Amino acid sequence: QQPVQSPQAVILREGEDAVINCSSSKALYSVHWYRQKHGEAPVFLMILLKGGEQKGHEKISASFNEKKQQSSLYLTASQLSYSGTYFCGTDLPNNAGNMLTFGGGTRLMVKP
Amino acid sequence: DGGITQSPKYLFRKEGQNVTLSCEQNLNHDAMYWYRQDPGQGLRLIYYSQIVNDFQKGDIAEGYSVSREKKESFPLTVTSAQKNPTAFYLCASSFGVRTEAFFGQGTRLTVV
Repeated sequence: QQPVQSPQAVILREGEDAVINCSSSKALYSVHWYRQKHGEAPVFLMILLKGGEQKGHEKISASFNEKKQQSSLYLTASQLSYSGTYFCGTDLPNNAGNMLTFGGGTRLMVKP
Repeated sequence: DGGITQSPKYLFRKEGQNVTLSCEQNLNHDAMYWYRQDPGQGLRLIYYSQIVNDFQKGDIAEGYSVSREKKESFPLTVTSAQKNPTAFYLCASSFGVRTEAFFGQGTRLTVV
């Protein structure tokens, strides 16, 4: 079952802030965040692990609420280069192990 | 340089033909994944493998097959049973489901 992202799309002016949310109906062990430019491969931004550990780029911040099964990605003082589609991924257990499943994406456009 | 390589970048096939997409990594990753992306859509998991000679179905495995005979390679075959195979296919790899995933540049498959 894929995580649900909101909003589906955001338009910002340079310098404005944005928050992208990711929620799951099942317990989460980790949440991944990636950004994809049009026609390119997704690029890793951050991973948040159950228990509070975080790994990722210094300029990106995110939160992980284990009880609510939610994560949020915070984009502050946005730059034109932040434009793209943001995906959250979650590792969900199934009978054969854990699989990395992604949400539908949030399209972010930053305008001058 | 270490990385993950998908080939070819563009692929055209006639309806009813099987086609195999290549994915090779030299990152010494144990886990490998195949995702399908349709225009304006998220990443949907087709198959994943956590170890050599073992793989599991994702959310949309019908009409696809994979093999994992070597750690470095995880080819995806799109069979004639896949009703709507035209899409952008992404391969990814990681040390495990709770570590950063690296994506290949994708293969854009068009079936005519």
